[in-house]
Amino acid sequence: AQSVTQLGSHVSVSEGALVLLRCNYSSSVPPYLFWYVQYPNQGLQLLLKYTSAATLVKGINGFEAEFKKSETSFHLTKPSAHMSDAAEYFCAVSDRDGGSQGNLIFGKGTKLSVKP
Amino acid sequence: NAGVTQTPKFRVLKTGQSMTLLCAQDMNHEYMYWYRQDPGMGLRLIHYSVGEGTTAKGEVPDGYNVSRLKKQNFLLGLESAAPSQTSVYFCASSPHIPGANVLTFGAGSRLTVL
Repeated sequence: AQSVTQLGSHVSVSEGALVLLRCNYSSSVPPYLFWYVQYPNQGLQLLLKYTSAATLVKGINGFEAEFKKSETSFHLTKPSAHMSDAAEYFCAVSDRDGGSQGNLIFGKGTKLSVKP
Repeated sequence: NAGVTQTPKFRVLKTGQSMTLLCAQDMNHEYMYWYRQDPGMGLRLIHYSVGEGTTAKGEVPDGYNVSRLKKQNFLLGLESAAPSQTSVYFCASSPHIPGANVLTFGAGSRLTVL
């Protein structure tokens, strides 16, 4: 069965510092992987996705993530945090072969705080 | 360009009452989903639909029913609300791309059951 583990329910960084949000997955087949962001009182929106092309995926707002099969990881990074990055971030995985209709399995989320 | 619209945004119920949450999408998406979000639990799939007239159970379907009579609408019903159903509910839709579905979410409906 697929699963996603996000290490750290809360991460705090200073403005201008590196952002690193960790995600490890478990899947019996090579998966599709996603990062979504949720700003306060809003729904989730897609940051980026990995679907088998380049292992380094660039998303919106300067975020990127690298798929590392050997480590079963898909960590999200941003070189320099901005106050507007404060939000909750969710990693998600789905079956490549369309199992379960390709439904997403979400991690429990990591809340990012950015200090001035 | 509304995307996914959920109504109502807020609702307070007493235990045992019933209610329906409505989700509407204007993107002609085949798939629609209902999730609940609870602190520290992430998003959990309640029910989903892969097309008009079809529904299927997700991870946490008990206590909920759904209907997809029209392609653009997906209704979530609570027949007899319980305090454990206090949550924020999100509807989402996606095109049919097996395994790589990118979901578009609504803004959420906050339900409190007293």
